[in-house]
Amino acid sequence: AQTVTQSQPEMSVQEAETVTLSCTYDTSENNYYLFWYKQPPSRQMILVIRQEAYKQQNATENRFSVNFQKAAKSFSLKISDSQLGDTAMYFCAFSESYNTDKLIFGTGTRLQVFP
Amino acid sequence: EAGVTQFPSHSVIEKGQTVTLRCDPISGHDNLYWYRRVMGKEIKFLLHFVKESKQDESGMPNNRFLAERTGGTYSTLKVQPAELEDSGVYFCASSPLIAGGPDTQYFGPGTRLTVL
Repeated sequence: AQTVTQSQPEMSVQEAETVTLSCTYDTSENNYYLFWYKQPPSRQMILVIRQEAYKQQNATENRFSVNFQKAAKSFSLKISDSQLGDTAMYFCAFSESYNTDKLIFGTGTRLQVFP
Repeated sequence: EAGVTQFPSHSVIEKGQTVTLRCDPISGHDNLYWYRRVMGKEIKFLLHFVKESKQDESGMPNNRFLAERTGGTYSTLKVQPAELEDSGVYFCASSPLIAGGPDTQYFGPGTRLTVL
């Protein structure tokens, strides 16, 4: 069965600094999708970034980028120039996509950005 | 465009009672998902509708949970009778039906269920 592991329950970073959130996963599939979702306090969860496993190039969305290491089954999220609005719970998620596109989530990392 | 909405935002019930959660997906989204997060743990998949049909209900914990999506629009998730371990936040998500891989799932704000 696929699993997603986020080993950092909490992280903190100072405004304007860079922080990296870790995520590892386990699957026997070759083709799949990986996601980072963000849930700000008392707000809805939104997609931050996604990565298709067949693409070797790491996905980037403005200040957010991933380091996708397929062989190591690692999918970390780097946030550059951290802003106060980045304070949120971050969830890493996996989707097999062929039989079902349900998301399998990690336990989340709570990120606090300090001024 | 309205996002995914869920009602109620909070529900506090006693063990043995019945609760019905509602989810209104984004208009035009044929895929509808239910997830649950128990305190401090991962968000777990419950089930997936494609239009009015249950595509995957492998995550439903037991037969006390009943999900419906009449007419392929909104969905309800009923818990009857509720147990203490059913407490958590129930999320609904929707996405359009596309070929070639999963589209982004848009999440609702969740319903926080507390069973006393």
